[in-house]
Amino acid sequence: QVQLQESGPGLVKPSETLSLTCTVSGASIRSYYWSWIRQPPGKGLECIGYIYYSESTNYNPSLKSRATISIDTSKDQFSLKLRSVTAADTAVYYCARQYLHDLSSGFSLDYWGQGILVTVSS
Amino acid sequence: DIQLTQSPSFLSASVGDRVTITCRASQDISGFLAWYQQKPGKAPRLLIYGASTLQSGVPSRFSGSGSGTEFTLTISSLQPEDFTSYYCQQLNTYPFTFGPGTKVDIK
Repeated sequence: QVQLQESGPGLVKPSETLSLTCTVSGASIRSYYWSWIRQPPGKGLECIGYIYYSESTNYNPSLKSRATISIDTSKDQFSLKLRSVTAADTAVYYCARQYLHDLSSGFSLDYWGQGILVTVSS
Repeated sequence: DIQLTQSPSFLSASVGDRVTITCRASQDISGFLAWYQQKPGKAPRLLIYGASTLQSGVPSRFSGSGSGTEFTLTISSLQPEDFTSYYCQQLNTYPFTFGPGTKVDIK
């Protein structure tokens, strides 16, 4: 069974860097795409970016280049850094597997972590 | 970015009802659409991918259809555990965007 678990600080000060790690078990981190998604309290879902084991990445332009996703295949982990955070970055952050079913069906986010609430406040 | 709208935003229904949620995309996304169910305090759960393929383990009362710019999620007979929120997501063009959600409440 594929499992993902987010970890990191639950409180970050404004202007600092949010750092989260997602630990993967039950699947080879080298074989799939891995994604970060966030959800502000009471609001909708937003994709932040994704990474493939070869370290190719893609990011949501709305984050204005503040996000960096990296991968450590030796630890079966991938990470998110979000720089210069503000209160608007307060959200539940999820990691997920971005699975390519086939060329006609495309991708979906089929396994998710439980999510971690990160609050930006001084 | 590709914008998704969902209708209705809120839906009141009873156990056993058939309900349909519509998701519209601002441009053609072929069949690259997924549907998720999200319960309060939990991560979204994948229900449907490729617009119409049921994810393994998802009850057959859920079904999806559509292509291009208009898609539907149908629950054929609402069960008590289905009263929660549903989101569509386009996976045609990055950033993969989500619809604003539909909340299904008990009438």
